[in-house]
Amino acid sequence: NAGVTQTPKFQVLKTGQSMTLQCAQDMNHEYMSWYRQDPGMGLRLIHYSVGAGITDQGEVPNGYNVSRSTTEDFPLRLLSAAPSQTSVYFCASSVGQQNTEAFFGQGTRLTVV
Amino acid sequence: AQSVTQLDSQVPVFEEAPVELRCNYSSSVSVYLFWYVQYPNQGLQLLLKYLSGSTLVKGINGFEAEFNKSQTSFHLRKPSVHISDTAEYFCAVSEGGDYKLSFGAGTTVTVRA
Repeated sequence: NAGVTQTPKFQVLKTGQSMTLQCAQDMNHEYMSWYRQDPGMGLRLIHYSVGAGITDQGEVPNGYNVSRSTTEDFPLRLLSAAPSQTSVYFCASSVGQQNTEAFFGQGTRLTVV
Repeated sequence: AQSVTQLDSQVPVFEEAPVELRCNYSSSVSVYLFWYVQYPNQGLQLLLKYLSGSTLVKGINGFEAEFNKSQTSFHLRKPSVHISDTAEYFCAVSEGGDYKLSFGAGTTVTVRA
């Protein structure tokens, strides 16, 4: 049972480069989200989606784009990487009701130099 | 919008001693409360959640938490910790009707022999 799968696990980018962090879930969950984790700041919501074709901004959306063409996939795009985007990124999914458990991927550790 | 405050950033504790991690939230509406654990280099997994009913909630690995509405707190406790409980612990809140989770900054628990 795969759950939430994130790729890659580690990535180093140069300033100005672009890349896509992949997230896939096999639980048929409607709600998916992206967080970034920085020391002393917990997890902050970047973007989220309540279903295929529907996305919205979270707390820290600047510099990131998302799309949701299928229920399973929710990629996060960095169009022009900046050192401030060095972080650990987590994708999560849930059934879609606020009182249920969110399942997290293993994370992507991104360094922008 | 809600905010979540974890009052201790680091908690060192000896093996077999009790531990309490404090969490306070601010919200003007009904909330759902969660504690997640993150072991080194892993994603987050749910320890326990409060949705409604009994204010004392039991979770996995011997953890429990008590919801106190008047003090807007949701403190996590374990009567006797093990070395394997060394991890970072996050308190999270979602407001009624909202899919999004707000996380505290995290508490790092280090268990020593």
